[in-house]
Amino acid sequence: DVKVTQSSRYLVKRTGEKVFLECVQDMDHENMFWYRQDPGLGLRLIYFSYDVKMKEKGDIPEGYSVSREKKERFSLILESASTNQTSMYLCASSLYLESSYEQYFGPGTRLTVT
Amino acid sequence: AQTVTQSQPEMSVQEAETVTLSCTYDTSESDYYLFWYKQPPSRQMILVIRQEAYKQQNATENRFSVNFQKAAKSFSLKISDSQLGDAAMYFCAYRTYIIQGAQKLVFGQGTRLTINP
Repeated sequence: DVKVTQSSRYLVKRTGEKVFLECVQDMDHENMFWYRQDPGLGLRLIYFSYDVKMKEKGDIPEGYSVSREKKERFSLILESASTNQTSMYLCASSLYLESSYEQYFGPGTRLTVT
Repeated sequence: AQTVTQSQPEMSVQEAETVTLSCTYDTSESDYYLFWYKQPPSRQMILVIRQEAYKQQNATENRFSVNFQKAAKSFSLKISDSQLGDAAMYFCAYRTYIIQGAQKLVFGQGTRLTINP
């Protein structure tokens, strides 16, 4: 079975802290994604990676960075957390150039910044 | 840029009845994929059904089917014989290419579906 895991289901951090969200997939997928999910806004793409050490900005990258040192692991970093980054964060992965294109999602991390 | 719109924030249906969730999208591409994803409460998002734009036949997966109207840019999801396990947030999504052949999904706002016993 395809599996995407995220390091935490719930996280509470203080304003100004550096926050790491980790995602691991066991399917040897090339593509990995970080989304932010907010009520009424759906899922918005923060960053994606199509290969190790390769990363590209998504639609809302401001205030975030990412790291992909190994194929199976994709980390989202909040350099200095702010209250407007309180949200649900979803990681996903997919095969490169797969025509039918299914993305597989992790369970999500609900981050609260106080 | 492609956009996806789900105009129904919430829907409810009686168990065993049929419900239709609406989705419209905007694109200038001629070939693309559309998807419906399901996010049950506190559980992972999973793919429900997908539709290839060049196929005229509507996709079906057991009790789930779509009504794909390419000219109208409409992609609705019909759930027949609704079950309690169908309660979830449903997202409509459009696949678009980004760079190097990588693809991304553009999501709608979501529709929360409640099943009444």
